[in-house]
Amino acid sequence: GAVVSQHPSRVICKSGTSVKIECRSLDFQATTMFWYRQFPKQSLMLMATSNEGSKATYEQGVEKDKFLINHASLTLSTLTVTSAHPEDSSFYICSARDSQSNQPQHFGDGTRLSIL
Amino acid sequence: AQSVAQPEDQVNVAEGNPLTVKCTYSVSGNPYLFWYVQYPNRGLQFLLKYITGDNLVKGSYGFEAEFNKSQTSFHLKKPSALVSDSALYFCAVRLYSGYSTLTFGKGTMLLVSP
Repeated sequence: GAVVSQHPSRVICKSGTSVKIECRSLDFQATTMFWYRQFPKQSLMLMATSNEGSKATYEQGVEKDKFLINHASLTLSTLTVTSAHPEDSSFYICSARDSQSNQPQHFGDGTRLSIL
Repeated sequence: AQSVAQPEDQVNVAEGNPLTVKCTYSVSGNPYLFWYVQYPNRGLQFLLKYITGDNLVKGSYGFEAEFNKSQTSFHLKKPSALVSDSALYFCAVRLYSGYSTLTFGKGTMLLVSP
C-alpha cells in the first residue's frame, strides 16, 4: 500500500530554534500534501494544504510566516517551524494524496515536537 | 460546509464481542467517507473507504462499515473485537469531486478488554 514517510519522529529543542520536518510519499506522486497539528486527545487540525510547485494554502488562524511549507517536488513537502516556542509543542502529522481524487489520503507517522 | 460527528468519546467492548463505532456526516454533495485508526504516537492508518457502489464496505483487519444515505451515517463495525483493536478511530468525509479537504470527526477511543 501507499506509504508516507515523515522525519524526524521526535524533536526536542530550545526555544528560538527553527525545526524542519520532512514528508515524503514513497510509492506514489503526491500532487497534494497536507499538514496537520494534533493536540492531546483531540482530532487533527488542518494547518495547510500544499500543491506541488505552488504556494501553500493556510487555514484561518495559522501563521504562514511561522509555519513555512515547501512542496518542491511530487514526493516531498517540508514544514519549517520558525523560531519555535513552547506553545508550538505538539504532534505534527503530514498527509499525501495522489492525483486520482478517489484515493484516500495516506499519513505519515507524525513528529512529536517539544520546545523547552 | 461539511462536518462529521462521532457521538461517543469512548467505546468499551469485551474481546470476542461485536463492536460498533458510530459516525454521521453532513456534506453538500456526494460524499467520500473514510475510517482511519491511530495508535499512540503514530499517524493515521487507512482502514476503509466508501465512494460508490455497495453500501457495505470491507476494509483492513476485519473491519467493515455500512453507508446509510438516508441516515447520513457510516458506522464502523467488526464482528469479533480483539484487544489489539484498542486505538483511536477517526471518521472522515470529503466531497466526491475536486480537491476538497478531509474533515475529521473528533475521534472515538475503542477499548477492548480481555
